[in-house]
Amino acid sequence: EAGVAQSPRYKIIEKRQSVAFWCNPISGHATLYWYQQILGQGPKLLIQFQNNGVVDDSQLPKDRFSAERLKGVDSTLKIQPAKLEDSAVYLCASSFTQPSPQLRDTEAFFGQGTRLTVV
Amino acid sequence: AQKITQTQPGMFVQEKEAVTLDCTYDTSDQSYGLFWYKQPSSGEMIFLIYQGSYDEQNATEGRYSLNFQKARKSANLVISASQLGDSAMYFCAMREIFQGAQKLVFGQGTRLTINP
Repeated sequence: EAGVAQSPRYKIIEKRQSVAFWCNPISGHATLYWYQQILGQGPKLLIQFQNNGVVDDSQLPKDRFSAERLKGVDSTLKIQPAKLEDSAVYLCASSFTQPSPQLRDTEAFFGQGTRLTVV
Repeated sequence: AQKITQTQPGMFVQEKEAVTLDCTYDTSDQSYGLFWYKQPSSGEMIFLIYQGSYDEQNATEGRYSLNFQKARKSANLVISASQLGDSAMYFCAMREIFQGAQKLVFGQGTRLTINP
């Protein structure tokens, strides 16, 4: 079974430039997450999709970050313009959504992440 | 307010000893799930173990077990017979219902170092 694919693996940009990250989740996973992980900290949820609808984007800095999930499969996360504090690893994860809350939860599977450095 | 609290920024343990990593959580939901992930220096997030809020028995997966104390809202990870390869960051996470969908949030992590 193919895992969660992310690209690029690494990106270095100057502040005020724009950047985009791509994520292809595991086939059949309706839920897709984008996390930001700053060095030494836990992953912070930026946005969560259920199919192609946004479930939660309360921690997404909407003045500079945007994300979409067309057709409920692939997703892109964009930053425009980037700031120095955006330097982090951006993790994409996906999970299968059980049809009933009584069924056992399934874990989220993570991609290898994109390490962004803003200089 | 923090949903997931991991109070140990770092832990140092001798090889072959058992280690307990602490995790407390905050939720008003009756139905939720608790997860532990391992993140080695290479960066990938590796799922270790899961505990459902309705599970009466503590979860176990090989050398990993979860000490689930629902009334105290704690879900500590126990690693038995630690190995050098266990050195990594460990994250506790909780899935709860948010606006009709499941939301997964993480704690700040504990860096575990196994000494030979």
